[in-house]
Amino acid sequence: DVQLVESGGALVQPGRSLRLSCEASGLAVGRGYLNWVRQAPGKGLQWVSLSDEDGRMKYADSVKGRFTISRHNSKNVLYLEMNSLTTEDTAVYFCAASTSATKYNYAMDVWGRGTTVTVSS
Amino acid sequence: DIQVTQSPSSLSASVGGRATITCRTSQRISSFLNWYQQKPGQAPKLLIYTATYLYSGIPSRFSGSESGTEFTLTINSLQPEDSATYYCQQSYASPSTFGQGTRLEI
Repeated sequence: DVQLVESGGALVQPGRSLRLSCEASGLAVGRGYLNWVRQAPGKGLQWVSLSDEDGRMKYADSVKGRFTISRHNSKNVLYLEMNSLTTEDTAVYFCAASTSATKYNYAMDVWGRGTTVTVSS
Repeated sequence: DIQVTQSPSSLSASVGGRATITCRTSQRISSFLNWYQQKPGQAPKLLIYTATYLYSGIPSRFSGSESGTEFTLTINSLQPEDSATYYCQQSYASPSTFGQGTRLEI
């Protein structure tokens, strides 16, 4: 079974930085199609960033230039480095994988439980 | 970016009844449309991928269909546990985009 466990969420002040982690089991992050998706309080789902099987990284316009997605293959962990945080970044951040991008056409079939980021002074 | 418009925003239905949720995309997406169910305090769960394919372990009362840029999630024989918020998502092009969500009350 594939499992994803996020960590690193915290209460931070505007302008500060935070790094989220997503530890994977049953799936090699180095060969996976992995996303970060967030959900602001009481709101819908928003895709944030993607790291694909070929190492390509993509970002939503709202986080481009501030957030960086990366992988540590030997630790099997996906990261999201978040800089210059604003109150608009307050959300639950989910790590989500497409365990077979070709089969599922990039649908996210495995999700972590999420980690909460609160940006407030 | 591809826009995804989901309707209705909320829906009330009875046990044993049927619920229908629709998503429209701003351009053709070659069936790259997925449906998720999310219950309060939980992560989303994949129900349908590539517009019509039922994900493993999902009851057959859930089904998806498509016509051009219009995609539909139908839930037959509604059960109390189907109360949740449902989202569609296009995975055809980056950035991936979600619909606004439909809150279904049974």
